[in-house]
Amino acid sequence: KAGVTQTPRYLIKTRGQQVTLSCSPISGHRSVSWYQQTPGQGLQFLFEYFSETQRNKGNFPGRFSGRQFSNSRSEMNVSTLELGDSALYLCASSLGDSLNNSPLHFGNGTRLTVT
Amino acid sequence: GESVGLHLPTLSVQEGDNSIINCAYSNSASDYFIWYKQESGKGPQFIIDIRSNMDKRQGQRVTVLLNKTVKHLSLQIAATQPGDSAVYFCAEKRAYKYIFGTGTRLKVLA
Repeated sequence: KAGVTQTPRYLIKTRGQQVTLSCSPISGHRSVSWYQQTPGQGLQFLFEYFSETQRNKGNFPGRFSGRQFSNSRSEMNVSTLELGDSALYLCASSLGDSLNNSPLHFGNGTRLTVT
Repeated sequence: GESVGLHLPTLSVQEGDNSIINCAYSNSASDYFIWYKQESGKGPQFIIDIRSNMDKRQGQRVTVLLNKTVKHLSLQIAATQPGDSAVYFCAEKRAYKYIFGTGTRLKVLA
């Protein structure tokens, strides 16, 4: 069974631009979560989607948004990029939604560098 | 584990020895816990999980112990191998949210 796939692996953008990251979950997984990982803050929760609905959202500004499609694939978008948005963005899928205790399975992330 | 912290605590273990990695969690209401391994350039990889109604769970070469009294979680790796070198971190689940620890870097010495 294929794991979580994230594209692209690397992105370099300049301040003010916007970016879209893509995630394909493990087949059969309907929940997709997004995390930002930085050396200073570790893993920070962005949002969770289940059956095309955003279930939960972390403490990030509205510049960060996402969506989920009917095939469970998800995208996240960051608009008006800032230098501080440079990070590894991780997508994770799980079998059940966040109220169920099923483990998150992560992709290898998209490394975003904002210059 | 390039992206979980520049100054992570480091555990150095001789190849073949057992490793014990510890984690203190913050909330007694957390009901589910997971250990992850993250190698450089990769995403976190699921190792083992445990629910709060258990004290111990074993997998292949790994054991997780949960002490709810002192809110402590540990990961034991038996017969540590060079491929075990990575950053390890725990995650606690509270309602819908996972809270991740900052991680411990495991170095396996030949």
